[in-house]
Amino acid sequence: GAGVSQSPSNKVTEKGKDVELRCDPISGHTALYWYRQSLGQGLEFLIYFQGNSAPDKSGLPSDRFSAERTGGSVSTLTIQRTQQEDSAVYLCASSPILQETQYFGPGTRLLVL
Amino acid sequence: AQSVTQPDIHITVSEGASLELRCNYSYGATPYLFWYVQSPGQGLQLLLKYFSGDTLVQGIKGFEAEFKRSQSSFNLRKPSVHWSDAAEYFCAVGSTSGTYKYIFGTGTRLKVLA
Repeated sequence: GAGVSQSPSNKVTEKGKDVELRCDPISGHTALYWYRQSLGQGLEFLIYFQGNSAPDKSGLPSDRFSAERTGGSVSTLTIQRTQQEDSAVYLCASSPILQETQYFGPGTRLLVL
Repeated sequence: AQSVTQPDIHITVSEGASLELRCNYSYGATPYLFWYVQSPGQGLQLLLKYFSGDTLVQGIKGFEAEFKRSQSSFNLRKPSVHWSDAAEYFCAVGSTSGTYKYIFGTGTRLKVLA
């Protein structure tokens, strides 16, 4: 079956611009997660959604970052007024239920010039 | 606080040699434990996981890991490494109660010599 997909695969933007990153989870998965992977670093948890519950935003690094999940499916991660330190690979994952195995998408590589 | 440590940033082994990647965690109870692999240009793929029961777990691609409560470790092993195993390996710890927490280690990059 189809896995987690993310778009765009690469994004180059100028400092100060807003960007939107999209994630399509596996159909039927109730939990969706966003991570950031900087060069040479591990994965940094950003936010997760579980069903209709309020998302856990505890990992978002600043108020420039936000995310939403519409209809319990597709999710969009928005970064406003991008900074160079936002350059990283943004990974999305989904799981059937919270705490279960996460299935990762290929990521969006963001470069802020 | 929940944490996970992978003490080896890089490891190089010869093809056919055995492999052990270390993972130590800090958690107040028995956590959920995972190993993921990230091949160049690929997303992360689950190798194996431990939730409960038998402390020796088998995964895909011939990998196994052993949960040792006394050492707070979940080391990944493979008896004979193949060139295609060259990748980055991440250990992850998930909380078993309360607020969701899923923390990844910083990864170990494996190089395989022909």
